[in-house]
Amino acid sequence: GAVVSQHPSRVICKSGTSVKIECRSLDFQATTMFWYRQFPKQSLMLMATSNEGSKATYEQGVEKDKFLINHASLTLSTLTVTSAHPEDSSFYICSAPRPDSGNTIYFGEGSWLTVV
Amino acid sequence: LAKTTQPISMDSYEGQEVNITCSHNNIATNDYITWYQQFPSQGPRFIIQGYKTKVTNEVASLFIPADRKSSTLSLPRVSLSDTAVYYCLVGDTGNTPLVFGKGTRLSVIA
Repeated sequence: GAVVSQHPSRVICKSGTSVKIECRSLDFQATTMFWYRQFPKQSLMLMATSNEGSKATYEQGVEKDKFLINHASLTLSTLTVTSAHPEDSSFYICSAPRPDSGNTIYFGEGSWLTVV
Repeated sequence: LAKTTQPISMDSYEGQEVNITCSHNNIATNDYITWYQQFPSQGPRFIIQGYKTKVTNEVASLFIPADRKSSTLSLPRVSLSDTAVYYCLVGDTGNTPLVFGKGTRLSVIA
């Protein structure tokens, strides 16, 4: 079964609004989680590393003020897309290393964001 | 930059064994090799992970030569449901993010 879960799986929002995506580790604690974005027919692109209790680390070219990441607990990281625009429409995927499996990284189911 | 190179696509008939080779010439001493499978509109699913020699689980085998500069994922007797994109990634620990390459799009034909 899934070990990393995302919610919602699909969301539609209007331009200019903000939307939050949650990523949960289901039966383990994750001090680190990773957020990716994937456009159709393309590979996953790393956006940021979410660190529990500290600021996220963003990849070059990713706007930290637009993609707010909060790792509030050892089982939850959230990605908030602020002032969303149609070009933010994408598939967002999170992942987390599972300590009791040699830190193998497991991915969530992904969240489709459509901005209209 | 992705640390790995794979064929862009492969075709196979049902029931055949499929071998996907990945090149990772600059693999570091502490890096493990991990393969994931991704279906459309789903997150990548863990298949297998190894450090050296051979690893086998219920779905696949992973062959890693002594120099570790490449690896081969072997899928025995593929079915139509194995049609997916397969990614090979290398990384040292779970706290280091995985950087994805383009992956290999496997198409299984009846």
